[in-house]
Amino acid sequence: AQSVTQPDIHITVSEGASLELRCNYSYGATPYLFWYVQSPGQGLQLLLKYFSGDTLVQGIKGFEAEFKRSQSSFNLRKPSVHWSDAAEYFCAVDEPGNTGKLIFGQGTTLQVKP
Amino acid sequence: EAQVTQNPRYLITVTGKKLTVTCSQNMNHEYMSWYRQDPGLGLRQIYYSMNVEVTDKGDVPEGYKVSRKEKRNFPLILESPSPNQTSLYFCATRETIPREQFFGPGTRLTVL
Repeated sequence: AQSVTQPDIHITVSEGASLELRCNYSYGATPYLFWYVQSPGQGLQLLLKYFSGDTLVQGIKGFEAEFKRSQSSFNLRKPSVHWSDAAEYFCAVDEPGNTGKLIFGQGTTLQVKP
Repeated sequence: EAQVTQNPRYLITVTGKKLTVTCSQNMNHEYMSWYRQDPGLGLRQIYYSMNVEVTDKGDVPEGYKVSRKEKRNFPLILESPSPNQTSLYFCATRETIPREQFFGPGTRLTVL
């Protein structure tokens, strides 16, 4: 069965510092990968997605992610974090077939220090 | 504007009192799903529907029912809610291709 692992449950960075959130997946073929952000009390917002092609994908709010097949990873990065980036971040992989299901990681909570 | 709507957004109820959470989409998507979100567990799929009158169980279907009588609507039914169904619920839709999902705003349910 496919799975998604986000090794870091909680990360704290200083405002202006760079950020990398880790995501590892288990899947044989090239997966469809997503990063979502959830601000406190809010729904899920899509940050970026990878379907194929260029392994470095750009998203909204200055985020990017790099797909590395050899490491089964899809890490999310941002060069300079803003206080408004404090939220919970979810990595997800699309389950192939007809279930219409996204398999989510457990989430990483980002805290931003002033 | 393309959107997925859910109602109600917040609900506090008591054990055993039947309730329905509605989900509606205006994107003409075939796939619709319900997820529940619990701390430390991420989101897990409850039920999904590939099209009208076609539904199937996801990973955590116990205690839930769904129906898909119209393409745009996919209600979630809890016939006898229990406290372990206290959670944040999301409805989602997806087109066949590309496989990007769109989520509703969420329904926070508390069962006392």
